[in-house]
Amino acid sequence: GENVEQHPSTLSVQEGDSAVIKCTYSDSASNYFPWYKQELGKRPQLIIDIRSNVGEKKDQRIAVTLNKTAKHFSLHITETQPEDSAVYFCAAMSEDFGNEKLTFGTGTRLTIIP
Amino acid sequence: EADIYQTPRYLVIGTGKKITLECSQTMGHDKMYWYQQDPGMELHLIHYSYGVNSTEKGDLSSESTVSRIRTEHFPLTLESARPSHTSQYLCASSEYKLGLAGGLKYNEQFFGPGTRLTVL
Repeated sequence: GENVEQHPSTLSVQEGDSAVIKCTYSDSASNYFPWYKQELGKRPQLIIDIRSNVGEKKDQRIAVTLNKTAKHFSLHITETQPEDSAVYFCAAMSEDFGNEKLTFGTGTRLTIIP
Repeated sequence: EADIYQTPRYLVIGTGKKITLECSQTMGHDKMYWYQQDPGMELHLIHYSYGVNSTEKGDLSSESTVSRIRTEHFPLTLESARPSHTSQYLCASSEYKLGLAGGLKYNEQFFGPGTRLTVL
């Protein structure tokens, strides 16, 4: 089955600086990679996702890059703000019909220092 | 508004009691999931369902059971609660949709607000 590793487990950055969270996956059949943000006491929410037919996707201050050869993908947050403080989870799955579940990473607790 | 609902949101119960955590979704999704999560920690998949009358065990062994008699409803039951069951339980749902270029695309997995369970 799929195995997703996520680093670092905790990350503190100064407000305005950039934050990068990295994940690696094991199953070369995986082709869908979402990122979820979970604020304290709240439910996880999708912030961005990428499929294996593209190498990069951007949405305002958030971007995700994917390297299929190396089997790793990263989340980049630029110009960080206090509201970016949360736990971030990466995940991976194959969209081939019949594979119905996401495999999540262990999470990164991001703290933005004002 | 389409959403996922979980009840109760908080539950404190004594050891040995039988409990059922409710999850309902008005998203019209086929796929539903139960995760166990200690606050801010890793998400552990304990059960999932492809659709009505389908249930599968997840990656984390669990003493709980689930049922899927109706598309919108996916309750989780613990026959005899123990302190080791103390955790947060998150329900989620999703579906496949036809992509613009053809082929099936996995749609966003939506999470419910969770039930925080404490077993004394």
